[in-house]
This record gives sequence, structure tokens and C-alpha cells, in this order.
Amino acid sequence: EVQLVESGGGLIQPGGSLRLSCAASGFTFTRYNMIWVRQAPGKGLEWISYISSSSSTIYYAESVEGRCTISRDNAKNSLYLQMDSLRAGDTAVYYCARVTGVGWFDPWGQGTLVTVSS
Amino acid sequence: DIQLTQSPSSLYASVGDRVTITCRSSQRIGSFLHWYQQQPGKAPKLLIYGASNLQGGVPSRFSGSGSGTDFTLTISSLQPEDFATYYCQQSYSTPPYSFGQGTKLQIK
Repeated sequence: EVQLVESGGGLIQPGGSLRLSCAASGFTFTRYNMIWVRQAPGKGLEWISYISSSSSTIYYAESVEGRCTISRDNAKNSLYLQMDSLRAGDTAVYYCARVTGVGWFDPWGQGTLVTVSS
Repeated sequence: DIQLTQSPSSLYASVGDRVTITCRSSQRIGSFLHWYQQQPGKAPKLLIYGASNLQGGVPSRFSGSGSGTDFTLTISSLQPEDFATYYCQQSYSTPPYSFGQGTKLQIK
């Protein structure tokens, strides 16, 4: 079964840092580009970062540029998102997803909640 | 950046109804438009890719159409499990990968 499982979310104070992980299984991780998407409480979906299969191409949304770093370890079938200088506006459920075909996302992980609050 | 606008933002319907949701792009995007369903508290699920291709395992009552700037998602006969929020997403010009703001489908 193709599966993505996120971890690493939690309650963090403003200005703090957090590293999210996404464990992939059931497919050849090294062949796929991956993304992170977040969803603030009661809001819509916001794409925040993309990494190619070899890590050679990386993109960020303007909202997180300079504060987030996406990476992957193909030997461990894992995707990461390092988030620094966290703000209240970063409070959201963070999803990882596999990029398939010409750019649709399937599957998605179950999400991990990040709450930025003092 | 490409903007996607969904209409309506919310929709009330009954079991058995035929429902159509529209997604309009600010630029022509060919068929690089995809649809997702999100149940409350769950991750999004891919329904339609490439504007009109049904993802495996998705019931045939779901269909998508359109190209260029105007796209539609149609549910031919609503079932109780279809009440959810639906999002369109474009992959024609990236980054960013933009999403529509969502359409919440609720029971009348």
C-alpha cells in the first residue's frame, strides 16, 4: 500500500523551530518529486514547498521563503521540512504528498498539526 | 502567479441531486487542472486529474470537464459520503502550485 506518514508537529512558541518528517512506503520514493501543503484552521489548502526526486530542484512559497528548508533522504524514504522563526500564522495542519504525472498530488499523508502560540 | 477561483464557495444540496462546481483560472492552463475531495478532519483525496481523468477507485458519479480557463466538477447523483469540501489545483505554471479556495458541499 502506498502510504505517507507525517510526524513532528506540536506546540511551539513564536520564534521557535520545528522539523517535520514524512515517512514514505509502498512505492519507489527515489522516483518521485514531493511537496508540503498546509491548511490553517478552517481555511483552504496552501502549497508551501517542492523538492525534486534528486533534490536538485527546490521551490518555496513566498509565505515561507527564508524560514523553511525542505530536504529528503532517499536512503531512508523520508521527506523533511525544517521550519524556523515560526509565527502564529504558521499554525496549520501540514501535509506531505507525492507529485504524480504532470503535477497532481497523490497520495497525501494524514497530516501533522503545528500550533505556534505562547 | 495563476489564480484559481471556485464557485460557489458553499453549496446546499440533497442526496440524489446533480451538482456542478466551477473552477476558473486567471490564465489558460490547458488541462493541467486537478480536483480533490476533503472530508472533515481528513487529508485531501485526489478525484480527477488532467481535468477529466477519474482517479482509480473513485466512483463514476464524479466527472470533470473543461480546458483553458474554465473547468467543472460534476457529481451526477449525490451520496451521503459526498458531502465534503472540494478543491481544484493547477500544475500548468509552477511554482507556485495554486489551489482554489474550496467549495463546501453541505446537506440541504
